[in-house]
Amino acid sequence: GDSVTQMEGPVTLSEEAFLTINCTYTATGYPSLFWYVQYPGEGLQLLLKATKADDKGSNKGFEATYRKETTSFHLEKGSVQVSDSAVYFCALNAGNQFYFGTGTSLTVIP
Amino acid sequence: EAGVTQFPSHSVIEKGQTVTLRCDPISGHDNLYWYRRVMGKEIKFLLHFVKESKQDESGMPNNRFLAERTGGTYSTLKVQPAELEDSGVYFCASSPWRGGRQETQYFGPGTRLLVL
Repeated sequence: GDSVTQMEGPVTLSEEAFLTINCTYTATGYPSLFWYVQYPGEGLQLLLKATKADDKGSNKGFEATYRKETTSFHLEKGSVQVSDSAVYFCALNAGNQFYFGTGTSLTVIP
Repeated sequence: EAGVTQFPSHSVIEKGQTVTLRCDPISGHDNLYWYRRVMGKEIKFLLHFVKESKQDESGMPNNRFLAERTGGTYSTLKVQPAELEDSGVYFCASSPWRGGRQETQYFGPGTRLLVL
């Protein structure tokens, strides 16, 4: 069945460090891929998405490229800020149902 | 435009009691979903409404869970009787109907349920 595997956390980085959170997926069809973020005390917010192979989603300095050949959608940011501290969820949607990873907690220290 | 809202934000109940969670989707969104995240694990799908009809309830864990969406607007998720393993965060999401195309789902803040 469809599933998402993402890098386990927690991840702690210093401000301005480079961030990568790995995400790989298994899907029988042609899913859309998403990254959602949950800031402390808030709900899930869509961070970025890509709907087909080789698409790059980007938002707030974060990027992820839909790689069909490696079934991956890794999240990257060149220079993280303290305000990026949150839990990040990779997800896929191959129909009407979302499949999420376990979430990766990121803490950025000044 | 108001987002998806959920009530209550937190609930602490004893095993055997009943709890009802409410979700108000974004106005005009025909699709409404319930998900659950048990501590430290992935967010798992529970069920999907299209308007007032249950489209997919394959993720409902057992018959102690009952979801309704009368009139196709807000939805409730009742757990009766609650068990310890029901503790977690219950998320609601909504999306517009686009003839079955994959649409971004907009999530509410979640209800944190703790069963003691």
